[in-house]
Amino acid sequence: SQQGEEDPQALSIQEGENATMNCSYKTSINNLQWYRQNSGRGLVHLILIRSNEREKHSGRLRVTLDTSKKSSSLLITASRAADTASYFCATDARDDKIIFGKGTRLHILP
Amino acid sequence: GAGVSQSPSNKVTEKGKDVELRCDPISGHTALYWYRQSLGQGLEFLIYFQGNSAPDKSGLPSDRFSAERTGGSVSTLTIQRTQQEDSAVYLCASSIRQGVVPQHFGDGTRLSIL
Repeated sequence: SQQGEEDPQALSIQEGENATMNCSYKTSINNLQWYRQNSGRGLVHLILIRSNEREKHSGRLRVTLDTSKKSSSLLITASRAADTASYFCATDARDDKIIFGKGTRLHILP
Repeated sequence: GAGVSQSPSNKVTEKGKDVELRCDPISGHTALYWYRQSLGQGLEFLIYFQGNSAPDKSGLPSDRFSAERTGGSVSTLTIQRTQQEDSAVYLCASSIRQGVVPQHFGDGTRLSIL
């Protein structure tokens, strides 16, 4: 079964706006990661947040984690055309297996 | 190498044929993972290796799927008697060791079964 589920499935915004994607998961975790996938390419690691952290920043990215709600959000500020991609959350399950969600397809409109 | 390398990048084959997909991980990475990604979907875990051993084969969809890794480096995913539902992108990733993140991904092999 899916550990992480992203929401929304697809998102279209104007360039310059902020994009927010959410991820919910089911079991306790040690950490949560966000990855980006450009069309036809592999996944690229963006940011990792540990279970004892509540917020983390990296450039235009801001990730929050609420372990009580088993949810995380990824905020991309001042979006650019190059941010068009699919975004996946990934959580560590038992046996250190990393479980990926189905992703959010983000489209930045010029 | 500098990154995870997968070959071929694209493979088209007829139903019933066997296919071999290759993954060359980042040098020094002992953990290697195979995932399957159907169109517009997330990643489905298939199998991982720590060194040459595969402690968890639970994700392999059927006994037509097998994988091996030799010399703690290159891995091959083999699909026998391919079916149309095997059409997908097969992604390989590696990490320094199992349980250590992040995983570094190759660009995948796009497999199409006619």
